[in-house]
Order: sequence, then structure tokens, then C-alpha cells
Amino acid sequence: DSGVTQTPKHLITATGQRVTLRCSPRSGDLSVYWYQQSLDQGLQFLIQYYNGEERAKGNILERFSAQQFPDLHSELNLSSLELGDSALYFCASSVVGSGAHTDTQYFGPGTRLTVL
Amino acid sequence: AQTVTQSQPEMSVQEAETVTLSCTYDTSENNYYLFWYKQPPSRQMILVIRQEAYKQQNATENRFSVNFQKAAKSFSLKISDSQLGDTAMYFCAFMTNTGANSKLTFGKGITLSVRP
Repeated sequence: DSGVTQTPKHLITATGQRVTLRCSPRSGDLSVYWYQQSLDQGLQFLIQYYNGEERAKGNILERFSAQQFPDLHSELNLSSLELGDSALYFCASSVVGSGAHTDTQYFGPGTRLTVL
Repeated sequence: AQTVTQSQPEMSVQEAETVTLSCTYDTSENNYYLFWYKQPPSRQMILVIRQEAYKQQNATENRFSVNFQKAAKSFSLKISDSQLGDTAMYFCAFMTNTGANSKLTFGKGITLSVRP
């Protein structure tokens, strides 16, 4: 158990819908990262938050957004869902998030999203 | 931009034998970190080992060790005394140390099967 929690574990929805994935980081970690794992794209970085502020953006679609709340949990919002958004979405957390030597990322169990 | 290449899609090893998984990367940076993550059938991403680029000594964690060749940009993982529980997908990952962010860039992964 990494200490990172994600809910829900599975999500099945229809095209055009909107969903919210939730992540709670390990105790003491200030940075949260979101990754998408799909068969054709592999593991891709989406976005990083540090202590409530967006720090870095990767290959995140405009239909996707995220935020980190004062209690440090994070939510990833996916809207106007398409079949191609079906994937495993991981949240990871680390202490700082600035490339420091302590910045090992620990992953949650993931949320499997299926868009029908 | 950094890239990580894992050219072997699949490998198989007999239980109790030793296996080496290959990884190469490309970067213009001098300071960075390299990781191996394991993803068993449960889909959880588990940190196996970590290497700081500024350290000449290869990292070791129990049965897992790396061969880090900075000039060749090579980072292979050696698993000794392979166990059935080592059956998983293994991802090599790169993290920059420039201070702006610490996103992970992953290779496509290699599927390792340990035969009884």
C-alpha cells in the first residue's frame, strides 16, 4: 500500500458525459500528479499540482481539468467524454515536486474509466 | 524533450534465474533521476528502484540492481533469483532535476514472465 488513495476504482459511463476522479496523497506530500495509461499511448503525464497551485502541464486535453484543494486532495474532471478516453488514470504524490532528491513519486491504485 | 526507450516488449525467465531488462534514454541534462516501476496484474504501479544520475554507484534493493551507464545513457535492471511474484510489466522512467517540475517520462514497458 503506497498511502495514495483513489476513488472510484472503476467507472463506466457514456460518451458525452462528465466524470470526476478523486485522489488523496500520502500524508505529508504536497505534490500531486495525474497520469493516463492507455494501450495506444502508454503512460502519459497529464498535470501536476503543488500545494494547491498548478505546477506543470503535460498532454492534457482541454476537455480535462484538475484542481488541488486546501486539504491537498485532488480531483481530475473529464468532460464530453469520448471512447478514446477509456483508460487507467493514476494519481501519484511526492513530497515537494521540484525535482529534489526526495521527489520519488508513489502511485495510487488507479481508476479504470470505461466510456461506452 | 526527454525520451525513454524499452526495445524489448517481452521477456521470459525461469524461476530462480537472473534476468536483465534494458532501458535507454535521451536527454541533454546532466542532473536527473531514473526509476524502475513494476506493474503486476493488479495494475498497481510499484516503485522498484531509483538511481540519481550524479551517483556513480549503482543502486541495489535486495534482489534488484541496476547497471547505470551515464555516458551511454543506459539504465538496465537486473533481477536475481527470479520469483513467480516478479511476473509483471516493468517500466523505466526518467525525471528531470531542473527544479520546474518533476514529471515522470515513461518507456513503453516490458512484460516479464517468470516460469515455474
